[in-house]
Amino acid sequence: GAVVSQHPSRVICKSGTSVKIECRSLDFQATTMFWYRQFPKQSLMLMATSNEGSKATYEQGVEKDKFLINHASLTLSTLTVTSAHPEDSSFYICSATTPGQSDMQFFGPGTRLTVL
Amino acid sequence: AQSVTQLDSHVSVSEGTPVLLRCNYSSSYSPSLFWYVQHPNKGLQLLLKYTSAATLVKGINGFEAEFKKSETSFHLTKPSAHMSDAAEYFCVVRLGGYSTLTFGKGTMLLVSP
Repeated sequence: GAVVSQHPSRVICKSGTSVKIECRSLDFQATTMFWYRQFPKQSLMLMATSNEGSKATYEQGVEKDKFLINHASLTLSTLTVTSAHPEDSSFYICSATTPGQSDMQFFGPGTRLTVL
Repeated sequence: AQSVTQLDSHVSVSEGTPVLLRCNYSSSYSPSLFWYVQHPNKGLQLLLKYTSAATLVKGINGFEAEFKKSETSFHLTKPSAHMSDAAEYFCVVRLGGYSTLTFGKGTMLLVSP
């Protein structure tokens, strides 16, 4: 149980385009989802926290107009990287918590974004 | 504020020998501590967690960790390394009742035959 999927697993796009990444909880309802970014050989940095039906809370230094997060249902959150630039290339990972296990985050497999 | 320090960026062991991955934390309140493993191009998998119960925590795949408050440490150990243990390991702290996780920088475990 508690499986989180991400789609796509890899995406390559041109500079200036927008890319949408989906995060789904497959067998549970996720009240809260988190989006992380991981640079090569570095740790995960929390970008934002989203609760279903409300606006995401962004960490300091993360541009909310550039990284649009939508948590429209209890099983789906999306991260849209708008007007992507090469410096946005990174590994994006989502996680989700369940109502009964708020101390646990279940992680998705990640999405590798490459901006040319 | 909370922080996590993983003392080694890389650890190399031979198959069959013990593994020690070191982690120190700082937290103003009683923390929850986790170890996650990340294989190449895979998602994070929880190895074990400490949430103020027994200080010696047993996880999956033969790993265990001991919470030592006096040393503010939560080192990860395994008696005998296997080739499949080669991966990146993250020590993670969660403050009190909040959901936010703080990750260490990771330790790459290399296992040689």
